[in-house]
Amino acid sequence: DAGVIQSPRHEVTEMGQEVTLRCKPISGHDYLFWYRQTMMRGLELLIYFNNNVPIDDSGMPEDRFSAKMPNASFSTLKIQPSEPRDSAVYFCASTLILTYGYTFGSGTRLTVV
Amino acid sequence: GESVGLHLPTLSVQEGDNSIINCAYSNSASDYFIWYKQESGKGPQFIIDIRSNMDKRQGQRVTVLLNKTVKHLSLQIAATQPGDSAVYFCAENEVNTGFQKLVFGTGTRLLVSP
Repeated sequence: DAGVIQSPRHEVTEMGQEVTLRCKPISGHDYLFWYRQTMMRGLELLIYFNNNVPIDDSGMPEDRFSAKMPNASFSTLKIQPSEPRDSAVYFCASTLILTYGYTFGSGTRLTVV
Repeated sequence: GESVGLHLPTLSVQEGDNSIINCAYSNSASDYFIWYKQESGKGPQFIIDIRSNMDKRQGQRVTVLLNKTVKHLSLQIAATQPGDSAVYFCAENEVNTGFQKLVFGTGTRLLVSP
């Protein structure tokens, strides 16, 4: 298995633009997570899905952020409109069982200028 | 102005020494704990886990100790190598309001000198 695949690896965008981050979880994993990592706040859970259904989105910072999982092999995290404070590394992770180690992707480094 | 980031504690060791990285967790209801290693430019990588019904678990060159009384977790790395240089995070599976989720600590940077 190729692991959790995220795209793009790097994204630079202007403030106000829409940004879409993509994730392909490991085949067969029922849970998918979106995390954000910054120097200020460390690793924060934004949202997680179980069987494509959002379970806990309490970490989503505001309405500008949205996440979808249209099928078991694909998820998106969208920011519209983007702001400089959204600059961070965004990680996607997946797991088969909730109380088991998650497998993380390599992340998308987002820079909003 | 310049933003102030998280101050990561740093542990500096010599190659071949044993390293101990500590972590205090917050939720006494947490029942599962994991240590992750994150190298520069990469995502966190699973190292070892432990459930709350255990107090010690060993892997290859790594040992995790759990003290539920004081809500403390430690990671011991034997014969530390330069390739072990990374940021290490503990994570607890926090059960809260019916949801379970992994909550990460702030991390410790391990620097291994040859």
